[in-house]
Amino acid sequence: NAGVMQNPRHLVRRRGQEARLRCSPMKGHSHVYWYRQLPEEGLKFMVYLQKENIIDESGMPKERFSAEFPKEGPSILRIQQVVRGDSAAYFCASSPVTGRTDTQYFGPGTRLTVL
Amino acid sequence: GQQLNQSPQSMFIQEGEDVSMNCTSSSIFNTWLWYKQDPGEGPVLLIALYKAGELTSNGRLTAQFGITRKDSFLNISASIPSDVGIYFCAGQSLQGAQKLVFGQGTRLTINP
Repeated sequence: NAGVMQNPRHLVRRRGQEARLRCSPMKGHSHVYWYRQLPEEGLKFMVYLQKENIIDESGMPKERFSAEFPKEGPSILRIQQVVRGDSAAYFCASSPVTGRTDTQYFGPGTRLTVL
Repeated sequence: GQQLNQSPQSMFIQEGEDVSMNCTSSSIFNTWLWYKQDPGEGPVLLIALYKAGELTSNGRLTAQFGITRKDSFLNISASIPSDVGIYFCAGQSLQGAQKLVFGQGTRLTINP
């Protein structure tokens, strides 16, 4: 069973560019979560999505950040006009539709560096 | 917002020693999860706890969901070099829907 897949693993952008991070959940999972981790810190919740729906975006910055999980294809976290403070590791997690829907499994992360 | 206080922040132990770390919160959680993160990787789920008082083991790891639902601990027995890493607790509350709140992590270093 493939786990949660994220790409790219590393992404370098210059200030003002756009960053697109992709996440494919585990097979059988249709709940996706995005978290951000700064160095030496724990993960911070950003957004929770189900197919074609944003369920909870209480952790998303109000500007420049958006997320989607289309009917077909991976979930995308999009950061427009990146700034140096956006440099961080971004992790995607997924949980199953039935059973323990509260148990989240994480991908390897995308490490974003803004120059 | 909700916060988890995880302690200790770091531990330096000898191989073979037992390890204990814990998380506390001022609010109630319905689920406690313990993860391990290696450098450059994502958190890997170690143990999941779903009921107050629950005690669960996974090999040399044992974790408990506190009776008050405001704390949890993780024990590692007879540590080995591959136990090195950062351990995170994470909690989920009804108010928080599905989102996880993470502790600050415990960095474990083992001297051979």
